[in-house]
Amino acid sequence: DAKTTQPNSMESNEEEPVHLPCNHSTISGTDYIHWYRQLPSQGPEYVIHGLTSNVNNRMASLAIAEDRKSSTLILHRATLRDAAVYYCILRGYGQNFVFGPGTRLSVLP
Amino acid sequence: AAGVIQSPRHLIKEKRETATLKCYPIPRHDTVYWYQQGPGQDPQFLISFYEKMQSDKGSIPDRFSAQQFSDYHSELNMSSLELGDSALYFCASSYNPGGVNSGANVLTFGAGSRLTVL
Repeated sequence: DAKTTQPNSMESNEEEPVHLPCNHSTISGTDYIHWYRQLPSQGPEYVIHGLTSNVNNRMASLAIAEDRKSSTLILHRATLRDAAVYYCILRGYGQNFVFGPGTRLSVLP
Repeated sequence: AAGVIQSPRHLIKEKRETATLKCYPIPRHDTVYWYQQGPGQDPQFLISFYEKMQSDKGSIPDRFSAQQFSDYHSELNMSSLELGDSALYFCASSYNPGGVNSGANVLTFGAGSRLTVL
């Protein structure tokens, strides 16, 4: 399975944008970039995913580098409820989700 | 919208006992996944089923077994429980048209079952 690298932790102020980076230099052409988050004591929750183009949904935006070796999850206005561990996961054809260490996001009021 | 239902939410067992966790996927979802998350750890993939057949296997101990039934619900059976089996167990489901795991399929996770082994 392809690997991803994320910062262990990040902090943000409430109502400010948050940019969560992910490096995946060994990504293959068929690997989708998925982002999930896990709030305390809850199951992982889907946030967004993409292949090559930037993606937007009601929760977040995903910016994918042109060479696909990195991506950034963008939360446009962080709220206290966005405090969670954010996982960047590559998933190729026939592969399962492999959770790495993720980024623990703290949101300060 | 219906979500993935897991039961029981909490379970306390003694060492060497047996435990069974149940998972009810989202209607029309044909694939079920089981993950184990120990204290302070990331979720670890255990096993998955597509259309009632095992589709992939991860780091599942030999003491554990699982199956998916005709109504698509799944059960994880754990025997000879050890202290180290204390963890959160998550079930997830997805819809894989034609059985193809293209990499784009999204998983929906349940709230988890917390197993405590004393």
